[in-house]
Amino acid sequence: SAVISQKPSRDICQRGTSLTIQCQVDSQVTMMFWYRQQPGQSLTLIATANQGSEATYESGFVIDKFPISRPNLTFSTLTVSNMSPEDSSIYLCSTGLAQETFFGPGTRLTVL
Amino acid sequence: AQSVTQLDSQVPVFEEAPVELRCNYSSSVSVYLFWYVQYPNQGLQLLLKYLSGSTLVKGINGFEAEFNKSQTSFHLRKPSVHISDTAEYFCAVRELGNAGNMLTFGGGTRLMVKP
Repeated sequence: SAVISQKPSRDICQRGTSLTIQCQVDSQVTMMFWYRQQPGQSLTLIATANQGSEATYESGFVIDKFPISRPNLTFSTLTVSNMSPEDSSIYLCSTGLAQETFFGPGTRLTVL
Repeated sequence: AQSVTQLDSQVPVFEEAPVELRCNYSSSVSVYLFWYVQYPNQGLQLLLKYLSGSTLVKGINGFEAEFNKSQTSFHLRKPSVHISDTAEYFCAVRELGNAGNMLTFGGGTRLMVKP
């Protein structure tokens, strides 16, 4: 199995600022995924992050707004840039091992 | 591309009554299917999954689900619910051969158990 940790667990930020969320996996994994869960909504995939290459973004998400780093096989960061209240969400990191999919505990972001 | 539809956004039910949460999916290839539960202000927890074999899958907390390939459904059931089952339930699908085990989620169903 894989254990995923995220930092910070929650944050309250001012509009116009940026926040970087860290995701650490206790195993080496090829792909890591970032999801967003807006209040009262389901999970939407933001992007897929492979080590050593540019992240692949889903429709509606762009690199300038959500830059992602993947420096090694156990770590990734997601930055939420130039935040607005509409970015208030839970951001989750995820990965897969064997047939399993694992999720981090999430980062609850509130933008004022 | 695959998609998941959860037909009911909210399901109110009385305690000890049975419940069924519906999930239908669309995919051009074979899929794995999952149900997750999210309790208020908590993370996702895997309830059960269908990878292969028996189409009736039993999970934690007394839940079960049945994979119906012809109807492309994976409905979740519990014969008798408890107040503590009040939560958001998400159906998810992963296509076979999908690298990295990325999931596509349905819109979620809020189960509200009343005393």
